Amino acid sequence: SQQGEEDPQALSIQEGENATMNCSYKTSINNLQWYRQNSGRGLVHLILIRSNEREKHSGRLRVTLDTSKKSSSLLITASRAADTASYFCAGFKGGAQKLVFGQGTRLTINP
Amino acid sequence: DTGVSQDPRHKITKRGQNVTFRCDPISEHNRLYWYRQTLGQGPEFLTYFQNEAQLEKSRLLSDRFSAERPKGSFSTLEIQRTEQGDSAMYLCASSFWRGAGLYEQYFGPGTRLTVT
Repeated sequence: SQQGEEDPQALSIQEGENATMNCSYKTSINNLQWYRQNSGRGLVHLILIRSNEREKHSGRLRVTLDTSKKSSSLLITASRAADTASYFCAGFKGGAQKLVFGQGTRLTINP
Repeated sequence: DTGVSQDPRHKITKRGQNVTFRCDPISEHNRLYWYRQTLGQGPEFLTYFQNEAQLEKSRLLSDRFSAERPKGSFSTLEIQRTEQGDSAMYLCASSFWRGAGLYEQYFGPGTRLTVT
């Protein structure tokens, strides 16, 4: 079963605008990651934010983490058509470090 | 290409048939994971190996599913007596675990299974 929920489930914006996606999770997880998945393809790791971090940047990506609210957000600035994909948050769970994913946000960037 | 590879990329089978998928991880990676992803959902953990040992299996892995990693390198996932509910994308990921710490998992392109 999914342990996280992304919000919104789908987002459509114009190229150049910023896109914000939110993730809330139900259980305690060790650190949080964001992945991108192009249609019908595998997942690409975007960024990891550790439990003791509140904000992290990587290029056009900005991730925040609020452990008290069990939530995280992913901001993509100056969006491009190539950013069209599904975005998932995931946390490590247990010694196996298995990933527990949310349901994802489908992002569409319109040219 | 030195990433994770999966074969086949697509498989269409009739209900009741057996299917086997293969995953080749990144060569030095000692952990290998299998996940299943249905349409519109995030991936769900199925099982993982550390070297050749299968250390954890999800409740999702019914007795019709079996996974092996005989030499600690490639892995196979077999589904016996397939059912329409088995239709999904099967994803493989690998990581190099070195003890305490967090290690990124690298995903393959997946095998899309359609059971008719």
